[in-house]
Amino acid sequence: EPEVTQTPSHQVTQMGQEVILRCVPISNHLYFYWYRQILGQKVEFLVSFYNNEISEKSEIFDDQFSVERPDGSNFTLKIRSTKLEDSAMYFCASSGSANYGYTFGSGTRLTVV
Amino acid sequence: GDSVTQMEGPVTLSEEAFLTINCTYTATGYPSLFWYVQYPGEGLQLLLKATKADDKGSNKGFEATYRKETTSFHLEKGSVQVSDSAVYFCALRLQGAQKLVFGQGTRLTINP
Repeated sequence: EPEVTQTPSHQVTQMGQEVILRCVPISNHLYFYWYRQILGQKVEFLVSFYNNEISEKSEIFDDQFSVERPDGSNFTLKIRSTKLEDSAMYFCASSGSANYGYTFGSGTRLTVV
Repeated sequence: GDSVTQMEGPVTLSEEAFLTINCTYTATGYPSLFWYVQYPGEGLQLLLKATKADDKGSNKGFEATYRKETTSFHLEKGSVQVSDSAVYFCALRLQGAQKLVFGQGTRLTINP
């Protein structure tokens, strides 16, 4: 069964550093998403991406965050100048259409120290 | 705003017990409703869904019925197995929207 692949599975970074979280969505999917889950809290929507642009974003997704689909297969989330409160599990997802269910990756656990 | 509330966990049951995980929602309009499951070390997997009132979603012995009158989508299974141990998330998606709104998740542990 097709999978969404996320790398790395765990990343530790120092406060103030930039991190890039990587995702390979399912190849024929058109819609891409990032969600995060701070430990013990709800899974929260960050951003959706379609046709090479952001289609929706939450208030969490401020100027510190950016997304990119650099080469037609990868989908990346960049966090500039990380803060301690950015520590969370970040999930990538993709779907074939806006009305289909998502396929999620297994997540990247980001720890900011 | 739109939100999903799940019963507090963790929930611990014995094998073959009956399972109910409560989920209620607040939303404008008529959302689609979902249950996702996360097994240890894995991503979120769609377990079942319902797109309109009175629809029943079912998969792997799990069922949930979309109840508009009580704004609920409770997850049930008649006889749980150890392999059902996971975290279960209830979620909604508004009509025309792309994003999912999740509940806080309920950790289920089934003992042999």
